[in-house]
Amino acid sequence: EIVMTQSPLSLSVTPGEPASMSCRSSQSLLHSDGYNCFDWYLQKPGKSPQLLISLGSNRASGVPDRFSGGGSGTDFTLTISRVEAEDVGVYYCMQALQTPPTFGQGTKLEIK
Amino acid sequence: QVHLQESGPGQVKPSQTLSLTCTVSGGSINTGGYFWSWVRQHPGKGLEWIGYIYYSGSTYYNSSLKRRVSISIDTSDNHFSLKLSSVTAADTAIYYCARHQEQVGIDYWGQGILVTVSS
Repeated sequence: EIVMTQSPLSLSVTPGEPASMSCRSSQSLLHSDGYNCFDWYLQKPGKSPQLLISLGSNRASGVPDRFSGGGSGTDFTLTISRVEAEDVGVYYCMQALQTPPTFGQGTKLEIK
Repeated sequence: QVHLQESGPGQVKPSQTLSLTCTVSGGSINTGGYFWSWVRQHPGKGLEWIGYIYYSGSTYYNSSLKRRVSISIDTSDNHFSLKLSSVTAADTAIYYCARHQEQVGIDYWGQGILVTVSS
């Protein structure tokens, strides 16, 4: 199965400052049709995960534009342009190219 | 707005079978393009995909659980179900049902149900 590795495992950011995290896959996630089978999810404390970004860079409905996803193939990044208090939680990456879908171990974002 | 809700016992005895149901409202489960999924999360840990079922009944399971897991679908009643046999304490987790849309991702999640394996 495809292994997803996130870094860093934790991040502490001052409100209003940017934040960035990475995810690397053990195999390319580029589908033969030209899109990346890669998503970002946020799990806020005590809540279910929620979809943030799909296909590597497409923001899900209702996701603020301060969130952006980039990368292709095996290396992906999630950037928050200006962190807000409501952004705390654990961010997971996931690949959906192969079954089983696999998640990264998560990056925990805290507010300073 | 699609809504998913897990239901089932919150405690199961070791060696018994864990059975959960996910009721879907706000949309038909009998529609192509969606994989009706189960994901679990051990206490304080990350996410583990268990398996999913297509409306046609085709299933895909995580190989680590394949011998013990079964997912079924009831399109007439708009729900799908999970059975996990021969449970041990290692199966104690929050179990989420979810909708995985092709080329979109897991766009709807249930609230999750904590299942504890204990005698």
